[in-house]
Amino acid sequence: AQSVSQHNHHVILSEAASLELGCNYSYGGTVNLFWYVQYPGQHLQLLLKYFSGDPLVKGIKGFEAEFIKSKFSFNLRKPSVQWSDTAEYFCAVNWGNNNDMRFGAGTRLTVKP
Amino acid sequence: DAGVTQSPTHLIKTRGQQVTLRCSPKSGHDTVCWYQQALGQGPQFIFQYYEEEERQRGNFPDRFSGHQFPNYSSELNVNALLLGDSALYLCASSLDRMNTEAFFGQGTRLTVV
Repeated sequence: AQSVSQHNHHVILSEAASLELGCNYSYGGTVNLFWYVQYPGQHLQLLLKYFSGDPLVKGIKGFEAEFIKSKFSFNLRKPSVQWSDTAEYFCAVNWGNNNDMRFGAGTRLTVKP
Repeated sequence: DAGVTQSPTHLIKTRGQQVTLRCSPKSGHDTVCWYQQALGQGPQFIFQYYEEEERQRGNFPDRFSGHQFPNYSSELNVNALLLGDSALYLCASSLDRMNTEAFFGQGTRLTVV
């Protein structure tokens, strides 16, 4: 079955540390890839997306993600996190023309000031 | 410009009852998706509505049904509620069926007792 895996349930970092959150998906073929963020008490917001082209995608707030097709991965990175990045991060995937966007279970990021 | 609005924000129902949740999409958006997010999990796709028709459906029983109105707003109906239906129900709207950029509402927290 098509699925999305996020390896880390909870990540705790100090401010200025580098961040990498893992995301893997099952099955190859054409995929559309997304990272969403949910700040405490707020709705899900799109951080970045990949549909085609340059596999290194830059999003808002200094986040970026790299699509590695051979590894079925779309990891999220940020060189230096801030306390305000404390949130839950969700990876999501659409396969081909399927409009069913599958989400991972999410990774809770806590950034200590 | 209002984003995606959902009502009510919280709801408590008894097993066996029926519930209707409502969603107004972001202005100009004609596609609406509904998701169920259980505690500690990522959102799970229920179905997508476009041009007042259900276009795609996730792995949910027929107890879950929906509707889209000519003004693009949408309802999610759940019949014969089970305890396991307790979750946050999210509505997302987009300009296209591929969810190129989906905007999420704050959700409706449904508790079934």
